[in-house]
Amino acid sequence: EAGVAQSPRYKIIEKRQSVAFWCNPISGHATLYWYQQILGQGPKLLIQFQNNGVVDDSQLPKDRFSAERLKGVDSTLKIQPAKLEDSAVYLCASSRGWKDTQYFGPGTRLTVL
Amino acid sequence: QQQVKQSPQSLIVQKGGISIINCAYENTAFDYFPWYQQFPGKGPALLIAIRPDVSEKKEGRFTISFNKSAKQFSLHIMDSQPGDSATYFCAASNFNKFYFGSGTKLNVKP
Repeated sequence: EAGVAQSPRYKIIEKRQSVAFWCNPISGHATLYWYQQILGQGPKLLIQFQNNGVVDDSQLPKDRFSAERLKGVDSTLKIQPAKLEDSAVYLCASSRGWKDTQYFGPGTRLTVL
Repeated sequence: QQQVKQSPQSLIVQKGGISIINCAYENTAFDYFPWYQQFPGKGPALLIAIRPDVSEKKEGRFTISFNKSAKQFSLHIMDSQPGDSATYFCAASNFNKFYFGSGTKLNVKP
């Protein structure tokens, strides 16, 4: 079974630029999560999808972050415009259902200069 | 407000020794407590998990001890090996929300 795929693996941008991350969850997994992991900290949930609907986006900075999950499969997370404090690893995870084990992708390391 | 507090921040253990990582929580509504292992450049991977109706769960060399009254749980790694060197995160979940601890970087010396 293929794992959670993410791209790109690394991204370096200037502040105020835009960036987008892509995630392809494990086939058949209805629940998809985006986490932000700042260096030296644990992952922080940004948004959770159940199929193509948003379950929780309470910690998503909606003035600059947006996410979508078209057709309940792939998902994209966008930051526009980026700030220095957005430098982090962005992790995507998926699970069969919202109570099931989460499987994480390798993450995208974002550096904002 | 940090929902899950994890300690220590880093840990050095000799090969064959016991590694112990502790976590504490406040929200009594949490009903699922997983531990994740993360290697550099990789995403976290589920190691072992426990629900509050049991006090201990063991899988191979990994054991979770859970103290509901104290609102604490810990990970014990027996016979620690250099391959166990990684960052470990505890987490707590209520319904669909997962809260992670700040992580413990474990270094097992050969």
